[in-house]
Amino acid sequence: DQQVKQNSPSLSVQEGRISILNCDYTNSMFDYFLWYKKYPAEGPTFLISISSIKDKNEDGRFTVFLNKSAKHLSLHIVPSQPGDSAVYFCAAPDNYGGSQGNLIFGKGTKLSVKP
Amino acid sequence: EAQVTQNPRYLITVTGKKLTVTCSQNMNHEYMSWYRQDPGLGLRQIYYSMNVEVTDKGDVPEGYKVSRKEKRNFPLILESPSPNQTSLYFCASSLGQSSYEQYFGPGTRLTVT
Repeated sequence: DQQVKQNSPSLSVQEGRISILNCDYTNSMFDYFLWYKKYPAEGPTFLISISSIKDKNEDGRFTVFLNKSAKHLSLHIVPSQPGDSAVYFCAAPDNYGGSQGNLIFGKGTKLSVKP
Repeated sequence: EAQVTQNPRYLITVTGKKLTVTCSQNMNHEYMSWYRQDPGLGLRQIYYSMNVEVTDKGDVPEGYKVSRKEKRNFPLILESPSPNQTSLYFCASSLGQSSYEQYFGPGTRLTVT
């Protein structure tokens, strides 16, 4: 059973517009969430995170929103730039399962920002 | 430069031929782990290590071994590779259990024929 879900495999937006990437989770014990960005032929790189005690975290053009009641988080990129074209993964630490520190990843959303 | 390195980056091998993928980090991190990425499945953890000489299974450990004799190195060993282990492998490290941000290596693309 997938505990972290990214239901949109791909998203295409125009340069300068907003990109919204969504992520849902099923485990109510998750209390921290991370977004990673991955370019082809590179490892994932950390982008932004949010603790469950907050509902919003902002870092420059990137903002993550958390709705605990809906078990939903979203990553907003404003304005989108062609260099943001990458695969974005949502992840949550599995602190209560058998693997301490294991990050449970969603399947990723491929963002394409068109000039 | 703080980084996680993996070698080799690309490897084609045959079924049953033992291989090792090396992983090294220069950040003095306690926690290290291995993931595999497969199309449509995202990243799944294979093994992890919370410190030297402490290793444990992740979600998909079958067919893999690891060792952690030094803090900086965490090799992944495939004793008898099979075609279903064809995948993209990532090593990652972090400060420790209380630090959730993991730093990833560049990946090793393995093909087993």
